[in-house]
Amino acid sequence: DQQVKQNSPSLSVQEGRISILNCDYTNSMFDYFLWYKKYPAEGPTFLISISSIKDKNEDGRFTVFLNKSAKHLSLHIVPSQPGDSAVYFCAASAWRAGNMLTFGGGTRLMVKP
Amino acid sequence: DSGVTQTPKHLITATGQRVTLRCSPRSGDLSVYWYQQSLDQGLQFLIQYYNGEERAKGNILERFSAQQFPDLHSELNLSSLELGDSALYFCASSTRTSGIQETQYFGPGTRLLVL
Repeated sequence: DQQVKQNSPSLSVQEGRISILNCDYTNSMFDYFLWYKKYPAEGPTFLISISSIKDKNEDGRFTVFLNKSAKHLSLHIVPSQPGDSAVYFCAASAWRAGNMLTFGGGTRLMVKP
Repeated sequence: DSGVTQTPKHLITATGQRVTLRCSPRSGDLSVYWYQQSLDQGLQFLIQYYNGEERAKGNILERFSAQQFPDLHSELNLSSLELGDSALYFCASSTRTSGIQETQYFGPGTRLLVL
């Protein structure tokens, strides 16, 4: 049972345009959501997070939106840059359950110059 | 650089052997989490320690065990290795374990290859 899903395994975007990565979850106990960026043979790098009491969080070019009723979150990258090309993982946690992360399967983003 | 260190970076061993993976958390972090990334299972939580005590277990095999030492570094022990144990093993750390939403910061990982 996949509690966190990223339905798009890959996404290709032109440099300068917006990249939108999507994530769906099923467990209502999740109250904290995170996006990580990962290059091959490296550890996941934290990008941005959002608490379940918010619906938007912004940090520079990165914005995460949370729709609790739909159990859906998205990461917007504007403008996209070639250096953004990597695999992006959505993750969720529940503080009552010890904060371990449940990850989606990842979306490979390719930003073309 | 997340501040989390893991050694070794690469490990090649044979089936049936035993290996130990080491993790040092960020300075000040008391909680350590271990994750496995395999091709078919993605990133999965294995086990969590907080200030020396085991706090939660995920999809960890009985052949695997871990501990956290007084200096807060952690070791993941994998025994009776099988080909299917070949994967990337990541350690992550955060300040606490529960009661507050916290971000986990990941180390660079150890790539284990079982031949």
